[in-house]
Amino acid sequence: NAGVTQTPKFQVLKTGQSMTLQCAQDMNHEYMSWYRQDPGMGLRLIHYSVGAGITDQGEVPNGYNVSRSTTEDFPLRLLSAAPSQTSVYFCASSLGTGFFHEQFFGPGTRLTVL
Amino acid sequence: AQTVTQSQPEMSVQEAETVTLSCTYDTSESDYYLFWYKQPPSRQMILVIRQEAYKQQNATENRFSVNFQKAAKSFSLKISDSQLGDAAMYFCAYRSDQGAQKLVFGQGTRLTINP
Repeated sequence: NAGVTQTPKFQVLKTGQSMTLQCAQDMNHEYMSWYRQDPGMGLRLIHYSVGAGITDQGEVPNGYNVSRSTTEDFPLRLLSAAPSQTSVYFCASSLGTGFFHEQFFGPGTRLTVL
Repeated sequence: AQTVTQSQPEMSVQEAETVTLSCTYDTSESDYYLFWYKQPPSRQMILVIRQEAYKQQNATENRFSVNFQKAAKSFSLKISDSQLGDAAMYFCAYRSDQGAQKLVFGQGTRLTINP
């Protein structure tokens, strides 16, 4: 199993550009999430999904869109990038919501918006 | 909404010594889960230890143990016999036992191990 994979690892955008951060998992996990990590603030939940076709907003959803057309993939879209979206983005997945259903994190994508 | 606070931005400890990282949280729920994650320079998030709120017994994983004080809403992490490989950012996290996998993280504590 590759686990949770994210592409790209690094990205530089100009203000106003759009892009999609890719996330995939091969563990047949129902639950997938996107977090952003900013210095001094820990990780914050952007969007999450409880299964294919079902998504919901997290703590900081503004400026981001998601969709979940398959169990494996959960892309994060930035429609018009802003410098405030400069961050490290983590995708995570888990099999369920029980205590022993650990969230597995991807390696992260470092995004810089100029 | 739940919040998690780590009041120690940085900590350091001598190799082989013991260090305790602090975490407090705020919630109105009675059942929930608490976690400590380690993030080394590689950026990978690694689960260190977890605790169920309805269990009074403190969780232990090898050199890592927690002191869970439910009434005080405190969840500290003790690392015994510190090793150079323990150097990392450590994040405390909260998750409700209801609904989806939604972690609420603290700000993190950077742990340095002095040889």
